Amino acid sequence: GEDVEQSLFLSVREGDSSVINCTYTDSSSTYLYWYKQEPGAGLQLLTYIFSNMDMKQDQRLTVLLNKKDKHLSLRIADTQTGDSAIYFCAEHSSYKLIFGSGTRLLVRP
Amino acid sequence: NAGVTQTPKFQVLKTGQSMTLQCAQDMNHNSMYWYRQDPGMGLRLIYYSASEGTTDKGEVPNGYNVSRLNKREFSLRLESAAPSQTSVYFCASTRTNTGELFFGEGSRLTVL
Repeated sequence: GEDVEQSLFLSVREGDSSVINCTYTDSSSTYLYWYKQEPGAGLQLLTYIFSNMDMKQDQRLTVLLNKKDKHLSLRIADTQTGDSAIYFCAEHSSYKLIFGSGTRLLVRP
Repeated sequence: NAGVTQTPKFQVLKTGQSMTLQCAQDMNHNSMYWYRQDPGMGLRLIYYSASEGTTDKGEVPNGYNVSRLNKREFSLRLESAAPSQTSVYFCASTRTNTGELFFGEGSRLTVL
């Protein structure tokens, strides 16, 4: 079945890089996504990667995809306190978006 | 530019009561979704509507019903609320079979 897994918590120092990891199960997923949720708000799309790509860079964000291992990661360079949030990876499957449990990122000053 | 609007934002129910969560989007999106968010469990899909006139079950449909009233509106009904339905509910929409979902701000429901 479809299942997306993430670690629950990550703490980094301001200015360091953050790496959030995710594994997924549906090898037919065309796109894989990263969403960000700030406190008291809904989710917002952060970035996405097409399944035939290995890497995508968007300013401070780098997404790496290892399709063989079904592993997705999100790297945030020069992490800022404003990056503190919950990050969800998601796979797209048959009109549905299946989310992981979310990784809470805490950025320490 | 309203996007996705959910009402109510907060609701407290007693076990056995019924209620309807309303959702409307003004982006002319075809697909709409209802998710629930519980601590440590991420977002789980309750029901979705790929297009006007169709609805389908997601991962956790039991205890819920939905209505796609028109292209703009997608409501979620709890016929007989249970404490296990205490959660934050999110409505979302997307243009056409893409993963770029636009979310409402959420509805926090407590069932006593």
